[in-house]
Amino acid sequence: NAGVMQNPRHLVRRRGQEARLRCSPMKGHSHVYWYRQLPEEGLKFMVYLQKENIIDESGMPKERFSAEFPKEGPSILRIQQVVRGDSAAYFCASSERAPTGTDTQYFGPGTRLTVL
Amino acid sequence: GQNIDQPTEMTATEGAIVQINCTYQTSGFNGLFWYQQHAGEAPTFLSYNVLDGLEEKGRFSSFLSRSKGYSYLLLKELQMKDSASYLCAVSIYGQNFVFGPGTRLSVLP
Repeated sequence: NAGVMQNPRHLVRRRGQEARLRCSPMKGHSHVYWYRQLPEEGLKFMVYLQKENIIDESGMPKERFSAEFPKEGPSILRIQQVVRGDSAAYFCASSERAPTGTDTQYFGPGTRLTVL
Repeated sequence: GQNIDQPTEMTATEGAIVQINCTYQTSGFNGLFWYQQHAGEAPTFLSYNVLDGLEEKGRFSSFLSRSKGYSYLLLKELQMKDSASYLCAVSIYGQNFVFGPGTRLSVLP
């Protein structure tokens, strides 16, 4: 049973470009979470999605950031017009059940975004 | 608001026991998780507490007191490979995980 997969593992963008980060949850998991981690800091929740629905985007910046989890295919975190402050590690996690239950979140290896 | 505190750094010796504390003040509580994260890698699940008391899993144990908003992770027979960051996270009902800042543990020979 493959774990959570993320790609690319490393992404370099210039200021103003777009970044697309992909996440495939573990088999059988329909709940996906995106987190951002700045160097030497903890994980900050961004968004929680179920298939085709955004459930909670309270941690997502209001502008330039969007996320989706289509019926088919991976979840995508999209950052438009990237700025240097967007440089961070972006982790995706998945769970089998909703966070209202006592379900563990399993993390992918992360995408390290560097904005030049 | 949600607040989770952990010590920033700890150092211990190989073979020793170390206790990493976590205190939390959150608007809800549906369980407390501990994750281990090696530098440059993904967090990996270690333990989970929802009821008060001690949960033991090999060299790792985790304790929870809900009335005090307090948990600790106990690592026994420390090994060099235990050098990592340890993240405390609270699952909040109807919402998500809120992570603490993490404790960076260095195990010295």
